[in-house]
Amino acid sequence: QKEVEQNSGPLSVPEGAIASLNCTYSDRGSQSFFWYRQYSGKSPELIMFIYSNGDKEDGRFTAQLNKASQYVSLLIRDSQPSDSATYLCAVRKNSGYSTLTFGKGTMLLVSP
Amino acid sequence: DTEVTQTPKHLVMGMTNKKSLKCEQHMGHRAMYWYKQKAKKPPELMFVYSYEKLSINESVPSRFSPECPNSSLLNLHLHALQPEDSALYLCASSQVEDSLVYGYTFGSGTRLTVV
Repeated sequence: QKEVEQNSGPLSVPEGAIASLNCTYSDRGSQSFFWYRQYSGKSPELIMFIYSNGDKEDGRFTAQLNKASQYVSLLIRDSQPSDSATYLCAVRKNSGYSTLTFGKGTMLLVSP
Repeated sequence: DTEVTQTPKHLVMGMTNKKSLKCEQHMGHRAMYWYKQKAKKPPELMFVYSYEKLSINESVPSRFSPECPNSSLLNLHLHALQPEDSALYLCASSQVEDSLVYGYTFGSGTRLTVV
C-alpha cells in the first residue's frame, strides 16, 4: 500500500461547481496534512494545511480531515478555470522538520 | 521576505560538465531540502539539511553533491550526470521547531536538461 494515495484524474468540473479532491494515507502516526497546488512546469504552492479532525475553511477552499478513516480532502467552491492545476496531498508523520510524503497528485480541469 | 530563490531557472548541461544549482532563503528557516520532480510525478526527496548539517540522504547517486554553506544558502553540485537526471529540481525550506503547522516553502525550481 502506498503511503499517500490520490486519484490521478483528471477531475473535470464546470466553472462555478464544487471540486472535491481526495487523499488517503496509510500511516496512522501522520500528524499534519498539506495541500499544494502545482501549475504545469511550476513549483508547488501551499494552499491549506490541517492537523485536527474536522473542517478548515480558507476562502473558497475547505480542507477536511478524518483521522479514523485516514482520509483528507480538499473542496474548492465556485471553481474557476484558473484553478486548473495538479493538487498534491502531502503528509507529515511528526512535528518539526520531519519530511513530507507526497501523493502523486490529482489533475483538476475546470472548464468555462 | 517569504520567498525561496533558485538559480538558474533553466540549465542545459552535457554529461561531462560540472554545474551547481543554488537556493537562497531569508525566512530564518533552519531546514532546507532538495527535491527532484519528473514530469507528471510527485516531488521525490533527495536531501535534507537541518541546522546546516546533512540529516537525510535518500540514497542519491554521488554525482549529486549537496552543500549548505550557511543557514540561508543551499547548493547542489552536479557532475557527470545522465540524461535520465533531466528533471525539475526543487529547493524548499521550513521551520525546524516542534510544530504541526509548518509545511514547506518551495522555490520556483531549476529545469535541468542533460544532453
